[in-house]
Amino acid sequence: DAGITQSPRYKITETGRQVTLMCHQTWSHSYMFWYRQDLGHGLRLIYYSAAADITDKGEVPDGYVVSRSKTENFPLTLESATRSQTSVYFCASTSSGVSDTQYFGPGTRLTVL
Amino acid sequence: GENVEQHPSTLSVQEGDSAVIKCTYSDSASNYFPWYKQELGKGPQLIIDIRSNVGEKKDQRIAVTLNKTAKHFSLHITETQPEDSAVYFCAASKDSNYQLIWGAGTKLIIKP
Repeated sequence: DAGITQSPRYKITETGRQVTLMCHQTWSHSYMFWYRQDLGHGLRLIYYSAAADITDKGEVPDGYVVSRSKTENFPLTLESATRSQTSVYFCASTSSGVSDTQYFGPGTRLTVL
Repeated sequence: GENVEQHPSTLSVQEGDSAVIKCTYSDSASNYFPWYKQELGKGPQLIIDIRSNVGEKKDQRIAVTLNKTAKHFSLHITETQPEDSAVYFCAASKDSNYQLIWGAGTKLIIKP
């Protein structure tokens, strides 16, 4: 199916465990983004990528790692999950940079116990 | 850095009435201002955007206005319908920065 997908949609994990959230887009968009959404904060950028093998930190990168070996995939890893990382995570993509329509995935709701 | 404030946090209007959501930004270099709509359980979706060289933009029942001097921009929805119920986010960015800075969101409730 065309579009942007995220998996899993829901995840419960324990403090200290490693978790990887997957993001896949079929448009061959150059730019991809990871956001977290928490009540009262809107969306906050964790990491972004301008192309394969090019990634950079956003506003709240601590505790997260990303990679982008292929244009269509942009996984987000929580190396050692903490309760403060309980959130809804959204992946987005755009063809030509931030000043262009960002297309969002359906989100992953992550709970860290 | 850039900061975007959005008001109100919740807005309840009668079906058919107009709704206005306001945002202010701090960085005068910001030049791109999108509005996104987020329905329950879904990711945000762009509904309209405006760039700093334009003062107003309309798309059917939706309009956005920008006041660069005062550093604020607003979303106007006319003839509101039940399907307009959602959370609306404003954001701001500038060409030299790949980050969109988001407002905290407005929950719009359309009363029948």
